[in-house]
Amino acid sequence: EITLTQSPGTLSLSPGERAALSCRPSQSVNSRYLAWYQHKHGQAPRLLIYATSTRASGIPDRFTGGGSETDFTLTISSLEPEDFAVYYCQQYETSPWTFGQGTKVEIK
Amino acid sequence: QMQLQESGPGLVKPSQTLSLTCTVSGDSMASGGYHWTWIRLLPGRGLEWIGYMSYMLYTEYNPSLASRVTISMDTSKNQFSLTLTSVTPGDTAVYFCARDSFLSPQAIKPNGLDVWGQGTTVTVSS
Repeated sequence: EITLTQSPGTLSLSPGERAALSCRPSQSVNSRYLAWYQHKHGQAPRLLIYATSTRASGIPDRFTGGGSETDFTLTISSLEPEDFAVYYCQQYETSPWTFGQGTKVEIK
Repeated sequence: QMQLQESGPGLVKPSQTLSLTCTVSGDSMASGGYHWTWIRLLPGRGLEWIGYMSYMLYTEYNPSLASRVTISMDTSKNQFSLTLTSVTPGDTAVYFCARDSFLSPQAIKPNGLDVWGQGTTVTVSS
């Protein structure tokens, strides 16, 4: 089973600041099979990025995904108030598909 | 636009069976080659993939749950279901149904959960 380690656990930032989130798989993951989700309490999670860097439908371009193999990143260029949430990465390289433990982006 | 909605009891007693249904609206489940998936959010532990049933009726489960879980589908009702037997308090979670899609032209397996239900909270307690 592939373990995804996300860091930091919590990111305290102000609106307008840049957020950089890390996702490190325990084994190499094909870039086609790494996705990112945003989750707000009481809501359905939302797909942000698939195939490492492709934004899902309707996702603004302040969200950027990158990386390869065992080092992936999600960057939010300038935080909007609605971006404060928990972010998860997910891999489809090897079953069972697994998620990282999440990074909480909170208002400073 | 496709929407998913979970339904089922919010409280289940230990050792009993948890049964949840996901109703799909806005389009037919048979309209595309999706994997109909269940995921849960465990308190303090994040998201856990439970398993799926494909449009070809193939199932795959998380090995940690495989001995207790069954996912089934009724395309005539546009629904798919989750059954989890012998539940314990450790199964207390928010349960989500979702559609797993082949989003990249070159993808040979799904690579994004692009439609989710709102989630339903299930508590296992006597």
